[in-house]
Amino acid sequence: QKEVEQNSGPLSVPEGAIASLNCTYSDRGSQSFFWYRQYSGKSPELIMSIYSNGDKEDGRFTAQLNKASQYVSLLIRDSQPSDSATYLCAGSGGSNYKLTFGKGTLLTVNP
Amino acid sequence: GAGVSQTPSNKVTEKGKYVELRCDPISGHTALYWYRQSLGQGPEFLIYFQGTGAADDSGLPNDRFFAVRPEGSVSTLKIQRTERGDSAVYLCASSLTGPGVTDTQYFGPGTRLTVL
Repeated sequence: QKEVEQNSGPLSVPEGAIASLNCTYSDRGSQSFFWYRQYSGKSPELIMSIYSNGDKEDGRFTAQLNKASQYVSLLIRDSQPSDSATYLCAGSGGSNYKLTFGKGTLLTVNP
Repeated sequence: GAGVSQTPSNKVTEKGKYVELRCDPISGHTALYWYRQSLGQGPEFLIYFQGTGAADDSGLPNDRFFAVRPEGSVSTLKIQRTERGDSAVYLCASSLTGPGVTDTQYFGPGTRLTVL
């Protein structure tokens, strides 16, 4: 069974710190990876997508992909209390459409 | 533009009843997906439509679940003889083209189904 694994947390960081969220995947055929943010009781909201090895930066967010190690990460710089949410990592597998999600990591940013 | 919309936002039903959940994708998106999210879990894939046809229904848990997209836009997920284990949030997503490395799925607000 193709899996995406995340530390469930909770991960707690002070305001202004860097939050580091990690994810590993088992399907070597996966080409696309996504980080979604999910506030309690709300639907997943796309934060970042990454397809190539290396880093991709968008504002305070940096996604990192290492296909050899089957590892994806999300760094949030200058964390804000409004970043407090569950972060879901997802891979598209070899299908390029069927997303497999991890269980999510709960992030709490303390003022 | 408008995002993915889903109705109802909440649905409470009794065991054994039939329910329909509706999804209206982003205008112009040809691909539509249904996922189910249980408490404390990530969303799990149910079915994928490309246009009017179900291209992959491998995630439907059993034959009580069925989905349609007759005109290639709005989709309805239908659950017969509901069971308490069907209680979850049902999420709909749409994407512009369907399978592709850069194709991105956008999620609707979900329907929270509770089976008593």
